[in-house]
Amino acid sequence: DVKVTQSSRYLVKRTGEKVFLECVQDMDHENMFWYRQDPGLGLRLIYFSYDVKMKEKGDIPEGYSVSREKKERFSLILESASTNQTSMYLCASSFGGGLRTDTQYFGPGTRLTVL
Amino acid sequence: KNEVEQSPQNLTAQEGEFITINCSYSVGISALHWLQQHPGGGIVSLFMLSSGKKKHGRLIATINIQEKHSSLHITASHPRDSAVYICAVWYNNNDMRFGAGTRLTVKP
Repeated sequence: DVKVTQSSRYLVKRTGEKVFLECVQDMDHENMFWYRQDPGLGLRLIYFSYDVKMKEKGDIPEGYSVSREKKERFSLILESASTNQTSMYLCASSFGGGLRTDTQYFGPGTRLTVL
Repeated sequence: KNEVEQSPQNLTAQEGEFITINCSYSVGISALHWLQQHPGGGIVSLFMLSSGKKKHGRLIATINIQEKHSSLHITASHPRDSAVYICAVWYNNNDMRFGAGTRLTVKP
């Protein structure tokens, strides 16, 4: 079974803090993704990576950066957290045969609150 | 502007009913995915479609490329099918967009 884990289920941070959200997958997947999900706006792609050290911007990259130093780990970084980044953050991974066609496996999500 | 339209937004059905959820998109795509999100929040991928039709158990997904439309059907619906169903589209420029989701409630 594919397992995608995220470092925290719930996180509370203060405005201006640097925040790291970690995602780890155990199936040697090439592709990894970060999304946020908000009521009324649905899911939106923030960043994705198709290989170690490679990254591509998604729909809403502003205010975020990512790091992929190892194949199994994909980190989302909020350089200076703001209240409008309060959201549910979901990580996913997929095998790598086809970025757009592969089945994605989702982590449980991290509910981030920025005060 | 959300470029993927789903309908209906909410759907309540009696157990055993046939369910249809629709998804429309605006321009050429590489692939369309149907996802299921249960009340606990976990998301599971149900189907990937680039053409035609796929079936898995009681779930059937179809796509019509010319009409830019996909449907997800659930036959003999059951209360455990209650979830939010989300359509996701990969556009040809590597842009991935999601529908707002359809909240399905199946009553016993």
